[in-house]
Amino acid sequence: GENVEQHPSTLSVQEGDSAVIKCTYSDSASNYFPWYKQELGKGPQLIIDIRSNVGEKKDQRIAVTLNKTAKHFSLHITETQPEDSAVYFCAASRDGSYQLTFGKGTKLSVIP
Amino acid sequence: EAQVTQNPRYLITVTGKKLTVTCSQNMNHEYMSWYRQDPGLGLRQIYYSMNVEVTDKGDVPEGYKVSRKEKRNFPLILESPSPNQTSLYFCASSLIGTGDNEQFFGPGTRLTVL
Repeated sequence: GENVEQHPSTLSVQEGDSAVIKCTYSDSASNYFPWYKQELGKGPQLIIDIRSNVGEKKDQRIAVTLNKTAKHFSLHITETQPEDSAVYFCAASRDGSYQLTFGKGTKLSVIP
Repeated sequence: EAQVTQNPRYLITVTGKKLTVTCSQNMNHEYMSWYRQDPGLGLRQIYYSMNVEVTDKGDVPEGYKVSRKEKRNFPLILESPSPNQTSLYFCASSLIGTGDNEQFFGPGTRLTVL
């Protein structure tokens, strides 16, 4: 089955700096890569996703890049704000699969 | 309001006492799933359901049961809970009956088994 590795497990940045979280996956057939944000005491919420027919996707301060050859994808957050502090999960799945495999999560702390 | 609800939110129980965690969604979603979240292990899938009366095992199904008699409900049953099932549990749903679409998560149920 699919295996998703996520790094780093914790990340601290100064407010206004950029944050990058990286994930690698093992199943070359995977083609759907979402990122979820989990705020304290809440369930995860989708913030951005990318499919393998594109290499990069942006939504305001958040971007995701995908390198299918290397089987890795990354989340980039620019101009970080205290409200970006949360746990972020990457995940991978493939067309028609009934399962989504998550990474172990990254706890991001943005220091004011 | 479109949402996934779980009950109870917090539960402390003892080994061997059967319990059920309910999950309900009001979005007419086909797909529903249960995950457990443990420190350092991330989110691991327990069971999922592609539609009414169709369920299958995820990565960590041992000690759990599910049923999907109605589209909106997907209860998680622990017939004989053990301390290693102490965890934070999340129910999720998505519109289409596959995992490669946005999943909407409930608020979580924190279970402690003594």
